[in-house]
Amino acid sequence: DAMVIQNPRYQVTQFGKPVTLSCSQTLNHNVMYWYQQKSSQAPKLLFHYYDKDFNNEADTPDNFQSRRPNTSFCFLDIRSPGLGDAAMYLCATSRLPIGVPSSYNEQFFGPGTRLTVL
Amino acid sequence: AQTVTQSQPEMSVQEAETVTLSCTYDTSESDYYLFWYKQPPSRQMILVIRQEAYKQQNATENRFSVNFQKAAKSFSLKISDSQLGDAAMYFCASQGAQKLVFGQGTRLTINP
Repeated sequence: DAMVIQNPRYQVTQFGKPVTLSCSQTLNHNVMYWYQQKSSQAPKLLFHYYDKDFNNEADTPDNFQSRRPNTSFCFLDIRSPGLGDAAMYLCATSRLPIGVPSSYNEQFFGPGTRLTVL
Repeated sequence: AQTVTQSQPEMSVQEAETVTLSCTYDTSESDYYLFWYKQPPSRQMILVIRQEAYKQQNATENRFSVNFQKAAKSFSLKISDSQLGDAAMYFCASQGAQKLVFGQGTRLTINP
């Protein structure tokens, strides 16, 4: 089945130790998103890739970076995790028609990676 | 800018009964979409129902239906014949140009 896969499901890191979260998709979607969801809160968009074009949200801290080496994979790098970065990180994908600035594009979510910072 | 507000942090309903979850939104976009997503505990978020803002007819998906009041910017979700598997966090969301904005969520409990 086509899906969005996130690895690992649970990640523990130490304060200040860089960590990378992984997302892959078999849907061949051209847009990939990373969300941060803290406990009992709404998911908050960090950034997204439209094909190879990186789009950062204005309030995303510089501590968060992303890479998309190919269509299928996208990585979230946290350079120096702080205690406040402990959260669930959700990856999502969608297919956005080229040339249509605003259109319906359902987002398909992965199961998330729960990050703990010690 | 888009904002989505869910004023009910928690709701509960008896199994087989009907429950309505509230959502209001604000957007400056003329073309937008509204969604309800379900996030069961420790499971991934899935789309429950969607509504195109230009359509007046309320969307329906089996036991799930919406009451879309565009002038009032209201988008409520009605779940009929509630089942134990409906227990989850429900997020209302608005989408304009690519960006999806979520409300704070409503935790729904189903009482057997």
